Amino acid sequence: QKEVEQNSGPLSVPEGAIASLNCTYSDRVSQSFFWYRQYSGKSPELIMSIYSNGDKEDGRFTAQLNKASQYVSLLIRDSQPSDSATYLCAVNYNDMRFGAGTRLTVKP
Amino acid sequence: DAGVIQSPRHEVTEMGQEVTLRCKPISGHDYLFWYRQTMMRGLELLIYFNNNVPIDDSGMPEDRFSAKMPNASFSTLKIQPSEPRDSAVYFCAAGDRATDTQYFGPGTRLTVL
Repeated sequence: QKEVEQNSGPLSVPEGAIASLNCTYSDRVSQSFFWYRQYSGKSPELIMSIYSNGDKEDGRFTAQLNKASQYVSLLIRDSQPSDSATYLCAVNYNDMRFGAGTRLTVKP
Repeated sequence: DAGVIQSPRHEVTEMGQEVTLRCKPISGHDYLFWYRQTMMRGLELLIYFNNNVPIDDSGMPEDRFSAKMPNASFSTLKIQPSEPRDSAVYFCAAGDRATDTQYFGPGTRLTVL
């Protein structure tokens, strides 16, 4: 079993819709969770971090963490074509482990 | 403050040649990470340093790979000899342990023919 699992997609949503990205992890001792966005040909860029159960909102982005279910998600409200990218979930054990990423396409 | 700087941005070499990738991290971040990204395997951690000391190199694929960090402002990843299966994008990232946040450099796209 992979340590960090993501649906590879592609996930396609219309402009203005909510995009929901999901991630599960296998190590219960993880304490830090991150979402990175990676545009094609570019490096990963941190967009959200979350450390405790519940929701964390930052603009159009909301990260949700449920440690009991070992589940972390990212919601993107009012999706824009510029949100089209691959979204990487990362979980910190003793070092950072990344999921394979979910490719999101927002159609105008 | 400038972000993480990597050089070269692109490298094309022939099998058997030595390849050296360079990274200048963000000052004040005491962790430095080297990653490799391929379509097949995604983003893989190769090695990371804390205060210039290698902490975990278990991700280094084999003895052909080596990494050094002689000072806080410079690190290298060397592949000798290179093989076609080493073709990937190699990222360097600077880390802040207080928040576990990492800032990635632009990457080096390596092609081994």
